[in-house]
Amino acid sequence: TQLLEQSPQFLSIQEGENLTVYCNSSSVFSSLQWYRQEPGEGPVLLVTVVTGGEVKKLKRLTFQFGDARKDSSLHITAAQPGDTGLYLCAGARTGNQFYFGTGTSLTVIP
Amino acid sequence: DTAVSQTPKYLVTQMGNDKSIKCEQNLGHDTMYWYKQDSKKFLKIMFSYNNKELIINETVPNRFSPKSPDKAHLNLHINSLELGDSAVYFCASSHIARETQYFGPGTRLLVL
Repeated sequence: TQLLEQSPQFLSIQEGENLTVYCNSSSVFSSLQWYRQEPGEGPVLLVTVVTGGEVKKLKRLTFQFGDARKDSSLHITAAQPGDTGLYLCAGARTGNQFYFGTGTSLTVIP
Repeated sequence: DTAVSQTPKYLVTQMGNDKSIKCEQNLGHDTMYWYKQDSKKFLKIMFSYNNKELIINETVPNRFSPKSPDKAHLNLHINSLELGDSAVYFCASSHIARETQYFGPGTRLLVL
């Protein structure tokens, strides 16, 4: 059992569609991060959310941190082929301990 | 200009061999990490060093030994390689107060 569960695990959609990825845990985190990893590369940070209930927008991506700081969601509007990749959430605890989620592999079909 | 670099990018070796992976960061961070990403893409932390001192050591076989000669380097030495060690190994770094990690490009290890 992983500390952070992501759903769905795999997602294949048509260009222009909307989607939401969930990152859930029963543990509280001081902050939560979302990364995107492209094939053959390391994960790259997209956003960090710190406050419960916080919402951050990055162009067509909207990130939300749950009120209790146990979960988060990533919503993509009008997905583009360039959004294809592995999306990873990561929860931070004190002492620089990070726990990565199980990952969501997104494919956007042109 | 590379922030976090790893060498080699690819490593193919026989079972039983000993190999090392090097990692360097030029971001001035004081914390460095090693992660293993398996075939299912799950990223699991192996070790974390802060100012050259070990602060996290997850359940990892003692065949894996990290070495940090200074704050900018964290190398990973693996003894007696096994088939199950085949994976992608990522080095990362962060500033302890900011909790944002920067990852290297990964080392793809294949044990035959």
